[in-house]
Formats: sequence, C-alpha cells, structure tokens
Amino acid sequence: GEDVEQSLFLSVREGDSSVINCTYTDSSSTYLYWYKQEPGAGLQLLTYIFSNMDMKQDQRLTVLLNKKDKHLSLRIADTQTGDSAIYFCAETPSGGYNKLIFGAGTRLAVHP
Amino acid sequence: DADVTQTPRNRITKTGKRIMLECSQTKGHDRMYWYRQDPGLGLRLIYYSFDVKDINKGEISDGYSVSRQAQAKFSLSLESAIPNQTALYFCATSDPGRNEAFFGQGTRLTVV
Repeated sequence: GEDVEQSLFLSVREGDSSVINCTYTDSSSTYLYWYKQEPGAGLQLLTYIFSNMDMKQDQRLTVLLNKKDKHLSLRIADTQTGDSAIYFCAETPSGGYNKLIFGAGTRLAVHP
Repeated sequence: DADVTQTPRNRITKTGKRIMLECSQTKGHDRMYWYRQDPGLGLRLIYYSFDVKDINKGEISDGYSVSRQAQAKFSLSLESAIPNQTALYFCATSDPGRNEAFFGQGTRLTVV
C-alpha cells in the first residue's frame, strides 16, 4: 500500500542545519516532494526529486533520496526563524497520476 | 489575487446541516483535488477530478460529495455534517506536465 511517514517535531538552533526525514512504502513512486506550510496558509511546494535521482540541491535546500531504503530527507542549511513551519513529505504513487500521498508533517521550530 | 481561492475561509456549522465548500482556480488546470488536514495525520485525499466529466473517490470519501461545475470550479459538500468532519480543508490543482500541485489557503470547518 501507499504510506508516508515522518517524525512530528524537530527543534533546531538558528544558524544550524535542519534535517527532516521521511520514509515511504511505494517503491514505484515517480516523484517525491517537500511542501512547506506556514501558519494560516496553504501548502507551498519547496522542491521535488524524480525517482531516478539521488540528490538535488537548490540554494539552502538539499534533498537526498535513498531508493533502496525508501528514505527521503530534506536538509536546510543555515536555518532561520522564517523556516519555522510544518514540512510535508509527499509522493506520487505508481499509476502516473498526480495524486499526492502526504506524510503527517514535521513541525520545525527554530529557536535563537 | 490567489490562483486557487477557497470560500469560506472559516465556518462553524451544526451537526446534521448541509454545507458546501467552494473552490475556484485561475490556473487553467484540468486536475482538481480536495484534501482534509487533521493534526498528526497530514493531508488525506477526499475526491479528485481530472476533468469536468471525471470524478474519483479518494481514500476518505465517505460522508462527502463533490461537483465539478466547470474547469475552474470544484465544490465539496457535506450532506449531513458530523463533528468528526471538523478539520482544515484544502483544494488543490495540478498540471500533469509540471508535477506540482497548487493549494488554496484552506477552509477551517468546525462542526458542533
């Protein structure tokens, strides 16, 4: 079946790196995503990675994909207070449709 | 103006009442979705539509119905609201060529 799991909370000090982890079960997933939700707002796509890649970097964000272990991570370098939000991992399951399966979300708290 | 607009933003209703949540989009996408968000559960798919004549159930469609009035409009109805339908509801659209979903700001529904 389709399942995406994430830890619920992460607390980091401002300026440190944050690493948010996610595991998924559908080995046929074509795309894996990271979405950010700020308080009172909808979800905003941060980045995504195609399943045939193992790393993608975009400014302060680094996504690592380990297909063998079905593990996805999001690293935020130099974490700022503005990065405080809920981060959702999501996958598109096999079948080729844009139907997103979400994890429960990781709440990132950045403290001074 | 937002690309995906949900109305109302907040609603309190009584058990047993019928309520409709509306979503409109200006992105020109064929695909539209309704999700509900509950703390600790992430987003779960209620219904999705790939074009005006296509409606599909998601993982938690019981107690809900939808109507795709036009390419730009997709409404979600609760025929007889119950308290465990209290949640944050999101509408989203996607373009199959872009692998990105765009979310509305959400509707916070409380059933008392």
